[in-house]
Amino acid sequence: RKEVEQDPGPFNVPEGATVAFNCTYSNSASQSFFWYRQDCRKEPKLLMSVYSSGNEDGRFTAQLNRASQYISLLIRDSKLSDSATYLCVVNSPYGNNRLAFGKGNQVVVIP
Amino acid sequence: NAGVTQTPKFRVLKTGQSMTLLCAQDMNHEYMYWYRQDPGMGLRLIHYSVGEGTTAKGEVPDGYNVSRLKKQNFLLGLESAAPSQTSVYFCASSLRQSKNIQYFGAGTRLSVL
Repeated sequence: RKEVEQDPGPFNVPEGATVAFNCTYSNSASQSFFWYRQDCRKEPKLLMSVYSSGNEDGRFTAQLNRASQYISLLIRDSKLSDSATYLCVVNSPYGNNRLAFGKGNQVVVIP
Repeated sequence: NAGVTQTPKFRVLKTGQSMTLLCAQDMNHEYMYWYRQDPGMGLRLIHYSVGEGTTAKGEVPDGYNVSRLKKQNFLLGLESAAPSQTSVYFCASSLRQSKNIQYFGAGTRLSVL
């Protein structure tokens, strides 16, 4: 089983709509969770950390479900500029606490 | 602010050739990393360094070597390139106390023919 699994999509979203997607992680010992954003042919950049109680950053909401081992990201009022791939990232207890990256959820916001 | 700078941005190699990818960061970060990103796969860690003069293997270290002679620089070497090493390579850096917050360079697109 892969450490981090994501449905690659694409998720086609009308402008102004809400989109949500999950990722699952395999190791229950993981302690830190993040969403990174990667624009086409660009480098990944941190979007937000994910806290146990859930957290918001503007139009973005992240949730963590430890019992089911998944994290989610919800984007409200989608903008064209939200089109990107969203990478689910989990710290791995293997190999000196390295980060394990999912393949990403591709979001395409349609005018 | 330069952040993390990678050179070159693009390179085409023939099988068996060697090359070195350079990563430089100006944020005084202790930790540095080399990843590769292939279609349909997540970023995979090749090697990393927790400080000047130290390096360690990641998930996929075979066929690569690294050196960290200066704190700000992290070099990735391919001694004898293979087509399987065709990929996009990203360098990243982080502070020791927040190693999960990594800052990436713009990437190097490498094709091995």
